[in-house]
Amino acid sequence: NAGVMQNPRHLVRRRGQEARLRCSPMKGHSHVYWYRQLPEEGLKFMVYLQKENIIDESGMPKERFSAEFPKEGPSILRIQQVVRGDSAAYFCASSDTEAFFGQGTRLTVV
Amino acid sequence: AQSVAQPEDQVNVAEGNPLTVKCTYSVSGNPYLFWYVQYPNRGLQFLLKYITGDNLVKGSYGFEAEFNKSQTSFHLKKPSALVSDSALYFCAVRDGAGGFKTIFGAGTRLFVKA
Repeated sequence: NAGVMQNPRHLVRRRGQEARLRCSPMKGHSHVYWYRQLPEEGLKFMVYLQKENIIDESGMPKERFSAEFPKEGPSILRIQQVVRGDSAAYFCASSDTEAFFGQGTRLTVV
Repeated sequence: AQSVAQPEDQVNVAEGNPLTVKCTYSVSGNPYLFWYVQYPNRGLQFLLKYITGDNLVKGSYGFEAEFNKSQTSFHLKKPSALVSDSALYFCAVRDGAGGFKTIFGAGTRLFVKA
């Protein structure tokens, strides 16, 4: 049973480009969470999704950020028109009781 | 709304000594409590959880945590620290009556000196 898979592990984007981060949950898990971690900081909740539904997006910035978890395929976190402040590690987790985390995608905006 | 507090940014302990990393929480329903560890440039690894039952729960790598309902605490402990325990530790809480959203504390960095 593969764990939570995130790709890419590292992503470099120029300011103004789009970033797409993918997350495949553990087999059998239908709940996916996205968190952001700035350097030397803790985890900030962004969004919680079930298949085809956004349950809680209270941690998502109001502009440029969106997330989806389609019926088929991975969950996608999309950041449009990236800025330097978007540089961070983005972690995806899926859960039954406890959450299991992917290795993260480290986004660098240059 | 649930919340988690880790009052210490950093904990320093000598190898072989006991360690404690503190966590307090707030939820409206029954708490589901978790500890995770993060090594540099890695994702979070699950250590242990409290859902119900015994207040003292044992987890990976010799760690344990004690659930204290009256103090709304869930401190992480280990009787004898190892240098390899040095990492970032996160406490997390989920409202057992309120779905799957898990909220994490800010993290506590543990340094174990040889």
